[in-house]
Amino acid sequence: GQSLEQPSEVTAVEGAIVQINCTYQTSGFYGLSWYQQHDGGAPTFLSYNGLDGLEETGRFSSFLSRSDSYGYLLLQELQMKDSASYFCAHTAAGNKLTFGGGTRVLVKP
Amino acid sequence: GAGVSQSPSNKVTEKGKDVELRCDPISGHTALYWYRQRLGQGLEFLIYFQGNSAPDKSGLPSDRFSAERTGESVSTLTIQRTQQEDSAVYLCASSLEASAPYEQYFGPGTRLTVT
Repeated sequence: GQSLEQPSEVTAVEGAIVQINCTYQTSGFYGLSWYQQHDGGAPTFLSYNGLDGLEETGRFSSFLSRSDSYGYLLLQELQMKDSASYFCAHTAAGNKLTFGGGTRVLVKP
Repeated sequence: GAGVSQSPSNKVTEKGKDVELRCDPISGHTALYWYRQRLGQGLEFLIYFQGNSAPDKSGLPSDRFSAERTGESVSTLTIQRTQQEDSAVYLCASSLEASAPYEQYFGPGTRLTVT
C-alpha cells in the first residue's frame, strides 16, 4: 500500500527552527511534495524534492533521502504567520498525490 | 491571473438529496483533481482528469459519487443520495499536466454539510 507518516502537532516559539519529518511507504515513488494549509484555507504548494538532497526556498527547506524513505520540511526563523498545517505528499505511479495526515504547527510569541 | 475557483463555497443539504459541486481550474492546466478533507484530517484523493478523461477513479468512495469534465475546463463532482458521512470540504486542484502532479494549485473548497 501507500502511506505517509508525519507528527500530528509541533509547538515552537517565534524565531525558532522546526523540522517536520515524513516517512513513507510506496511503490513506484517519484518524489515528495510539501504543502501548507492555514485554518479554513486552501493548501498551497511549498516545495518538491524529486532527487535526494536539500532544496531551499527562503526560510523553508525540504530534504529527501530515497534510501531511507524519509524526508523533512525545515522551517527557520519561525513567524506567527507560519502557524498552519503542513502536509507531505508523494508522487507515485498513477500521476496523483497521496497526502500524509498533516502536522499542525503552532507558533507562540 | 485567476486561480482555481469552486462553487458553491458552502452547501447545506438534507440527507438523501443530490448535490453538484463545480470547479473551474486555472486556464491551460490540463490536469484536474478532486479531494475530500474531513475536519482535522489530511486530503483524501477522489479522482483526477487528464483533459476530459479520468484515468484514475480509484478514490471515489462509492457509486453515489461521480465526476465529469468538459472542454478540458470545468469539472463537476456529483454526490447522489447524500449521507451524513459525506459532510466534508471538497477541494479541487489543477496542475499544468498530469505527468507533473507534484505542484498543484488548489481552490478554496466547497464545505458540504449533510443534515
